[in-house]
Amino acid sequence: DAKTTQPTSMDCAEGRAANLPCNHSTISGNEYVYWYRQIHSQGPQYIIHGLKNNETNEMASLIITEDRKSSTLILPHATLRDTAVYYCIVYNFNKFYFGSGTKLNVKP
Amino acid sequence: GAGVSQTPSNKVTEKGKYVELRCDPISGHTALYWYRQSLGQGPEFLIYFQGTGAADDSGLPNDRFFAVRPEGSVSTLKIQRTERGDSAVYLCASSLSMGDEQFFGPGTRLTVL
Repeated sequence: DAKTTQPTSMDCAEGRAANLPCNHSTISGNEYVYWYRQIHSQGPQYIIHGLKNNETNEMASLIITEDRKSSTLILPHATLRDTAVYYCIVYNFNKFYFGSGTKLNVKP
Repeated sequence: GAGVSQTPSNKVTEKGKYVELRCDPISGHTALYWYRQSLGQGPEFLIYFQGTGAADDSGLPNDRFFAVRPEGSVSTLKIQRTERGDSAVYLCASSLSMGDEQFFGPGTRLTVL
């Protein structure tokens, strides 16, 4: 099972871009990178996913390195409501292995 | 439309008792997943269903845990002879089909005294 490594916590100033890194050096060629976030006491919420190419949606952008061994989730203009735990997941045969995630603290 | 719902939201039970946790997925979603989340940890996969059948139950910790989805919609997670270590938030998710984005419910907080 591909494993991901994320920093335990990060701080970001409100209105600035939040860049959350993730290492997944053992990812296989057909495995996707998914990002979810979990706001306190709620279920995880889907953010974005990708395979090889960079992806963007209304919530975030996902940058995947060419060798696919790492990726970065970018929240372009963080708000206080983006304070949450962010999980980087390598999707393997329908099992999501969440790990411990990164606690993002957005500060005013 | 309605999202994934889980009942009860909180369950307190005594060690050794039997509990059932219910999940109502989004209508039309064929895949359903159960996870367990302990304090300070990420969700841990337990089991997932494609339709009525358990496609993968490799995450169930032992034979005290069992889950069913008899009509391919509502699912029930059953825990026999509960132990204090079973205390956690139990999350349910559904997706349109296998491999699609998973939508999570709010979870059931189980406390075993």
